[in-house]
Amino acid sequence: SQTIHQWPATLVQPVGSPLSLECTVEGTSNPNLYWYRQAAGRGLQLLFYSVGIGQISSEVPQNLSASRPQDRQFILSSKKLLLSDSGFYLCAWSVWVPGIPPEQYFGPGTRLTVT
Amino acid sequence: QQPVQSPQAVILREGEDAVINCSSSKALYSVHWYRQKHGEAPVFLMILLKGGEQKGHEKISASFNEKKQQSSLYLTASQLSYSGTYFCGTGVGGAGSYQLTFGKGTKLSVIP
Repeated sequence: SQTIHQWPATLVQPVGSPLSLECTVEGTSNPNLYWYRQAAGRGLQLLFYSVGIGQISSEVPQNLSASRPQDRQFILSSKKLLLSDSGFYLCAWSVWVPGIPPEQYFGPGTRLTVT
Repeated sequence: QQPVQSPQAVILREGEDAVINCSSSKALYSVHWYRQKHGEAPVFLMILLKGGEQKGHEKISASFNEKKQQSSLYLTASQLSYSGTYFCGTGVGGAGSYQLTFGKGTKLSVIP
């Protein structure tokens, strides 16, 4: 069965510090991977998605970036955090089957507080 | 474009029923439903792929009205465990670009 991991689970970082969040998926190959952010009490905002190694699409211009160095690894980064970067960061995966919209599953999330 | 969910919040007593609606101004091809409990990640409930499709899981079911560009989630005989925020996501794109756009969520509180 498939499993998705995220770490760290919680993080407190000062403004201006760098960020690296990691997501890995087990039990599947060539998944589509997604990064979402959820501000406190708000909905889910898609930040990035990737359909393969090195292929990243950005949905929202910001000071965040994403990378996919391996098939089942997705990394979210920032060089300098802003207060507005605080939130619950969720990684998700799906497997594309031609002609059939895929189910999408979320990881446990990373709660980031920028102080 | 973000789908619109209604109501924004609802309070139920155990055993009561609720309906959560998700509508879009654009044509819908797939609708995904999730439940998120406080402090946790969203959990996948079901996906509806075709207009008129209905699905059910225990006492939670959903329908998809393609013509009305709307999906509804039905919770019957609610239990305390049903509390949480329910999100619908509408799917767009194909291979290489498939993504979900989520509504703002409906907060459901079930009280004894």
